[in-house]
Amino acid sequence: DVKVTQSSRYLVKRTGEKVFLECVQDMDHENMFWYRQDPGLGLRLIYFSYDVKMKEKGDIPEGYSVSREKKERFSLILESASTNQTSMYLCASGVWGGTDTIYFGEGSWLTVV
Amino acid sequence: QQQVKQSPQSLIVQKGGIPIINCAYENTAFDYFPWYQQFPGKGPALLIAIRPDVSEKKEGRFTISFNKSAKQFSLHIMDSQPGDSATYFCAAAVFSGTYKYIFGTGTRLKVLA
Repeated sequence: DVKVTQSSRYLVKRTGEKVFLECVQDMDHENMFWYRQDPGLGLRLIYFSYDVKMKEKGDIPEGYSVSREKKERFSLILESASTNQTSMYLCASGVWGGTDTIYFGEGSWLTVV
Repeated sequence: QQQVKQSPQSLIVQKGGIPIINCAYENTAFDYFPWYQQFPGKGPALLIAIRPDVSEKKEGRFTISFNKSAKQFSLHIMDSQPGDSATYFCAAAVFSGTYKYIFGTGTRLKVLA
């Protein structure tokens, strides 16, 4: 089974703090993604990466950055957290050419106060 | 053109009923249509998926119906059970260097015992 692990499930941070959300996958997938989930808005893509050290902006990249130094690890960084970044963050990974499916982690609930 | 419109937003059915969730898209370049199931506190998990070259796919009690000309697809859950109570997301994916998924806004399903 594919396993995508988000190490921090619940975080509470203060406005202005730098926040790191870590994600590790164990299936040697080239592609990794960060989504944000908000009620009524579904899942919105923040950033994705198709290879080590490669990254592409998604639909809502403002206020976020990412890092992918190793194939299995993809980090989401909030440089200066704001209250409108309070949300559930989902990491996913996938490989193309077979099922073309992406697999999600359990999510990280971030509250910015 | 990149949107996927999902309806209804919420749905309540009796045990044994057949809830139907509908999605519509505009971009004819989409070539992969997965459905994800999400339980509270968990990440979305792939339920069933379809390609546009078939009109229907069944996996157990779950069926996708796909209407290419109408640019619509729907999820049917046969003999629904209380354990099916979850949020369901449709998605459409298009390959442009990498697969980009566009998600619907989700349907919260409650199956009454």
